[in-house]
Amino acid sequence: AQTVTQSQPEMSVQEAETVTLSCTYDTSENNYYLFWYKQPPSRQMILVIRQEAYKQQNATENRFSVNFQKAAKSFSLKISDSQLGDTAMYFCAFMKPVNSGGSNYKLTFGKGTLLTVNP
Amino acid sequence: NAGVMQNPRHLVRRRGQEARLRCSPMKGHSHVYWYRQLPEEGLKFMVYLQKENIIDESGMPKERFSAEFPKEGPSILRIQQVVRGDSAAYFCASSPEGQSKDEQYFGPGTRLTVT
Repeated sequence: AQTVTQSQPEMSVQEAETVTLSCTYDTSENNYYLFWYKQPPSRQMILVIRQEAYKQQNATENRFSVNFQKAAKSFSLKISDSQLGDTAMYFCAFMKPVNSGGSNYKLTFGKGTLLTVNP
Repeated sequence: NAGVMQNPRHLVRRRGQEARLRCSPMKGHSHVYWYRQLPEEGLKFMVYLQKENIIDESGMPKERFSAEFPKEGPSILRIQQVVRGDSAAYFCASSPEGQSKDEQYFGPGTRLTVT
């Protein structure tokens, strides 16, 4: 079974600064997907960024980027130029690809990191 | 294109009553997933359905919980004889066929409170 660990229950950052959220996972699979989801106070789950494990290049989406270290099973999220609207719970999640056998479509989530952006 | 819709957004039930949670997937999506989020926790998988079929219910409690996704209408998560421990946020997600099946789009969730 896959497990996802987020070791930082809470973090804070000053507006306009950069912050990195940590995530490690455990799997015996070679091909899989990793995701970061954001859950603001509205509780809506919003996809921030995704990474395919077979791609060596780290994914980026505007101010959000990841540092994917496959051998270390690490998948950290970097938020640059932090904004007040980035205040939210951030969840790291793992999924096996749809073309493998077995239960290959469930998202397995970490417990989350509460990020507060201070003015 | 409307997103995933869930209703009600908030549901209060007394112990022993039944709770029915509804999820309408995005247009064109035929895969539905239900997740439960307990306080201070991440989301945990409950069940995966396609139209008229339960594909994987390995995350569903063995008793009192059931799910369906009929040919017409929304997916329903049903909890019979609710207990205080069922209080949680229940999220539905949907995904399309084909190459994008790995991307799940979440609804706003239903917060169930059992008194």
